[in-house]
Amino acid sequence: GQQLNQSPQSMFIQEGEDVSMNCTSSSIFNTWLWYKQDPGEGPVLLIALYKAGELTSNGRLTAQFGITRKDSFLNISASIPSDVGIYFCAGQPGAGNNRKLIWGLGTSLAVNP
Amino acid sequence: DTAVSQTPKYLVTQMGNDKSIKCEQNLGHDTMYWYKQDSKKFLKIMFSYNNKELIINETVPNRFSPKSPDKAHLNLHINSLELGDSAVYFCASSQVESPPSPLHFGNGTRLTVT
Repeated sequence: GQQLNQSPQSMFIQEGEDVSMNCTSSSIFNTWLWYKQDPGEGPVLLIALYKAGELTSNGRLTAQFGITRKDSFLNISASIPSDVGIYFCAGQPGAGNNRKLIWGLGTSLAVNP
Repeated sequence: DTAVSQTPKYLVTQMGNDKSIKCEQNLGHDTMYWYKQDSKKFLKIMFSYNNKELIINETVPNRFSPKSPDKAHLNLHINSLELGDSAVYFCASSQVESPPSPLHFGNGTRLTVT
């Protein structure tokens, strides 16, 4: 099935560093979602983006809906050990069609205290 | 309090057996999903039901049969289990509206087929 290009695949950083990851698509999306998955749990929504150019923050997390509608990035500032996990982007290609999101392969984040 | 709950959390069984995973959501959502997450962590949609009606049926072996008795429940029955069925299965729910609500996931069922 269709997948989003999500990068980097993995990151190993020091506590306190900033993190940036992004997703790109060959087609236009109407919605971008960022999820985090902790070990042994299901993905949890971090940020939802619905408009091209939209910049949204959630605490230390900031995400943007690319102006071309084909990409999105997620930044984490001043990382802490509990930021460890897998981050997924997901996009919805059609209006009103929440039923079939397209997912990235995930970015695995490790934080060294 | 749990929004999307699925049982069991762990399921270990032998090849050829039949097993079921249950899912319930108390969010009042009208759409429910089953996803499969493989060892590489890729999330692959399997099925989606909207108000008890099947709306997404990806290329999944017909050994997998979803059943939605009402819009708050979506169960997954698997016949003749194979080694390749080992994975984590996630149930999720959402509300189809404009803009659409994001998916809420359960905590997964780790299926191990030996």
